Amino acid sequence: EAQVTQNPRYLITVTGKKLTVTCSQNMNHEYMSWYRQDPGLGLRQIYYSMNVEVTDKGDVPEGYKVSRKEKRNFPLILESPSPNQTSLYFCASSARDRVYNEQFFGPGTRLTVL
Amino acid sequence: LAKTTQPISMDSYEGQEVNITCSHNNIATNDYITWYQQFPSQGPRFIIQGYKTKVTNEVASLFIPADRKSSTLSLPRVSLSDTAVYYCLEVGSGAGSYQLTFGKGTKLSVIP
Repeated sequence: EAQVTQNPRYLITVTGKKLTVTCSQNMNHEYMSWYRQDPGLGLRQIYYSMNVEVTDKGDVPEGYKVSRKEKRNFPLILESPSPNQTSLYFCASSARDRVYNEQFFGPGTRLTVL
Repeated sequence: LAKTTQPISMDSYEGQEVNITCSHNNIATNDYITWYQQFPSQGPRFIIQGYKTKVTNEVASLFIPADRKSSTLSLPRVSLSDTAVYYCLEVGSGAGSYQLTFGKGTKLSVIP
């Protein structure tokens, strides 16, 4: 089944404790991205990647890091999480030449930073 | 900053046709207009996309006038399961157009 998976689905952590949220897709997509969603603000793009080893900032990259060492994986790293990063996070992917057509989203990761 | 403007919320009764309009005041020539649907606690799902005139699929229709300054998503005969947030996006098709900007969306509530 074609899908985007994220792990963990739920995470409660404390301020300053490094964490990684994994994202993996099995559709051989070149384009992947991360979003955060907060009440009243809609989805905001954090980072995106057009291919292996190619990443770029979205609208809200502060406090986050990403890496794209393999085509299928695009982990989101919070080196020193803070409470304002409490949010619902979504990973998405699409074929590079169809990025304007359809994004496939993962199920989401709900992160709480205490 | 969102490029588009759409109503914050709409209510509709079951069985009615629902039209959600989005403003695209500064849409670029190579941008496509794309609509996504999001249910609570789920990731958005692609519904429909168009460039100009009318596009129809098994889920919805999309109307885009000649000046492309607006778009209208039409959902025929809505049911309770259509209660969701609907987002309109302008998505570039040219080289280097890989950043997507979502607005706040329109929360559609379908009433029995």
